[in-house]
Amino acid sequence: SAVISQKPSRDICQRGTSLTIQCQVDSQVTMMFWYRQQPGQSLTLIATANQGSEATYESGFVIDKFPISRPNLTFSTLTVSNMSPEDSSIYLCSVERGRVLDTQYFGPGTRLTVL
Amino acid sequence: GQQLNQSPQSMFIQEGEDVSMNCTSSSIFNTWLWYKQDPGEGPVLLIALYKAGELTSNGRLTAQFGITRKDSFLNISASIPSDVGIYFCAGTGANSKLTFGKGITLSVRP
Repeated sequence: SAVISQKPSRDICQRGTSLTIQCQVDSQVTMMFWYRQQPGQSLTLIATANQGSEATYESGFVIDKFPISRPNLTFSTLTVSNMSPEDSSIYLCSVERGRVLDTQYFGPGTRLTVL
Repeated sequence: GQQLNQSPQSMFIQEGEDVSMNCTSSSIFNTWLWYKQDPGEGPVLLIALYKAGELTSNGRLTAQFGITRKDSFLNISASIPSDVGIYFCAGTGANSKLTFGKGITLSVRP
């Protein structure tokens, strides 16, 4: 498995501001993923972050709104920019690990509320 | 696109009972994963399945990768109160991305 930590664990933010979420893994991984989980919903992939290259965004998510950094093989950040109440969600990072590189382990999540 | 179907949305069982959850798709998946999410936490991986027909156990949990590669089930035996939570199935298909079902909320009555 993997030990993944996220900061902050929760935050309450004002409309129009930005929040940067950090994800730290206990060992080097090639790919890190960022997901959004809206209240009462399932997980939706925002983007895949590889070290040394730009993140790959899923349909409906853009870099200007969700810029991602991946400075090394154990760390990534996701910024939620110009927030609105619709951005209120849990944001989760995950990494691939396992017998076959299709097994993802998740961090504890960051619970964001936008007023 | 790839979709995973989980139903019902909620299940209510008595402590000590067994429960089975299914996950189905119209597409073929190469990997099936089962996660449990407690309130305020990230999903925790319960069981990972990598081969059609594979049957894997983890304590009171048993999961199988369907032969057609379009379904999987998770069984929980002798349920206890701490089994409450949301159970998600997830799978990796042709696009190599992890797709999640909508989840089943399990309640266990003492």
